Amino acid sequence: EAGVAQSPRYKIIEKRQSVAFWCNPISGHATLYWYQQILGQGPKLLIQFQNNGVVDDSQLPKDRFSAERLKGVDSTLKIQPAKLEDSAVYLCASSPAKNIQYFGAGTRLSVL
Amino acid sequence: GESVGLHLPTLSVQEGDNSIINCAYSNSASDYFIWYKQESGKGPQFIIDIRSNMDKRQGQRVTVLLNKTVKHLSLQIAATQPGDSAVYFCAENESNDYKLSFGAGTTVTVRA
Repeated sequence: EAGVAQSPRYKIIEKRQSVAFWCNPISGHATLYWYQQILGQGPKLLIQFQNNGVVDDSQLPKDRFSAERLKGVDSTLKIQPAKLEDSAVYLCASSPAKNIQYFGAGTRLSVL
Repeated sequence: GESVGLHLPTLSVQEGDNSIINCAYSNSASDYFIWYKQESGKGPQFIIDIRSNMDKRQGQRVTVLLNKTVKHLSLQIAATQPGDSAVYFCAENESNDYKLSFGAGTTVTVRA
């Protein structure tokens, strides 16, 4: 079974630029999550989708971050404009049901 | 030998010895707990989980212990191997909530 796919693996941008990350979850997984993991910390949930609907985006900085999952499968996370403090690894996870989440390898973002 | 104690951000273990990684949680309503392993450059990988109606669960070379009275969770790794070197995260959630809350993580280094 293929795992959660994310791209790109690495991205370097300058502050105030825009960036987008893509995630393809495990086939059949209805729930998709985006996490931000700052160096030395545990993952922090940004947004959770159930099929193509948002379940929880309470931790998403909506002034600069946006995410969508239009057809209930792939998802994109966008940052516009980026700040220095957005430097982190952005992890996508998917789940077939409650509790166990399967993670992708992440996208490492460096904002200069 | 074993290393037991309060939650520590790092743990150094001799190859072949047993490891114990500790985690304290704060939400009394949490009733599901997961341990993840994260190797450098990779996303978190599911190791083992436990529900609050249990106090012990065993997997292959790993055992999770849950003490709800003091809100403490531990992961025991038997015969630690070099491939066990990674950051280990505990995560918790409530059964009616899809969200996982991650701890700060413990970096385990295995000495040859």
